[in-house]
Amino acid sequence: QKEVEQDPGPLSVPEGAIVSLNCTYSNSAFQYFMWYRQYSRKGPELLMYTYSSGNKEDGRFTAQVDKSSKYISLFIRDSQPSDSATYLCAVGADSGYSTLTFGKGTMLLVSP
Amino acid sequence: EAQVTQNPRYLITVTGKKLTVTCSQNMNHEYMSWYRQDPGLGLRQIYYSMNVEVTDKGDVPEGYKVSRKEKRNFPLILESPSPNQTSLYFCASSLTSGGAHEQFFGPGTRLTVL
Repeated sequence: QKEVEQDPGPLSVPEGAIVSLNCTYSNSAFQYFMWYRQYSRKGPELLMYTYSSGNKEDGRFTAQVDKSSKYISLFIRDSQPSDSATYLCAVGADSGYSTLTFGKGTMLLVSP
Repeated sequence: EAQVTQNPRYLITVTGKKLTVTCSQNMNHEYMSWYRQDPGLGLRQIYYSMNVEVTDKGDVPEGYKVSRKEKRNFPLILESPSPNQTSLYFCASSLTSGGAHEQFFGPGTRLTVL
């Protein structure tokens, strides 16, 4: 079983739609949960960061972590064409000799 | 400006011709890492470094070498490139490993091996 599973998409939605992106993970030791956004021909950039369970909101973006189900989500409200990108989830354990584990990414296309 | 830089951004080479992709960060980060990104396979870690002179293999280290002689630099070396190393490469750095701190990525190096 892969450590992080993420549907590759593409996910196509009309402008203004609510988008839900999801990942599942297998290792209960993970405590740090991130969403990176990657535009075409660019490096990934951190979008949302959550420690442990719960929700975190930043503008139109909400990150949700359910550690009991090992499930993480990113919600985008009022999606815009500029949100078209690949979204990668990433999980991490305590620092030391651990490294981040990335999902394969979900490509999102928001049409005007 | 805090950043991770990579050079070159694009490279076309031939099988067996040694090459080096440079990576430099100006944030005094201890942790640096190299990834390759391929369609359908996502980001895969090649090598990482916890600090100067401390490096370790990631998930796909075969055919690659790294060194960390200075904190800011982490070059990726392909001593005898092969076509299956054609890929998009990213260097990244963060204050520490794991997930406690944001990982900053470079702009990427697109490598084609003929």
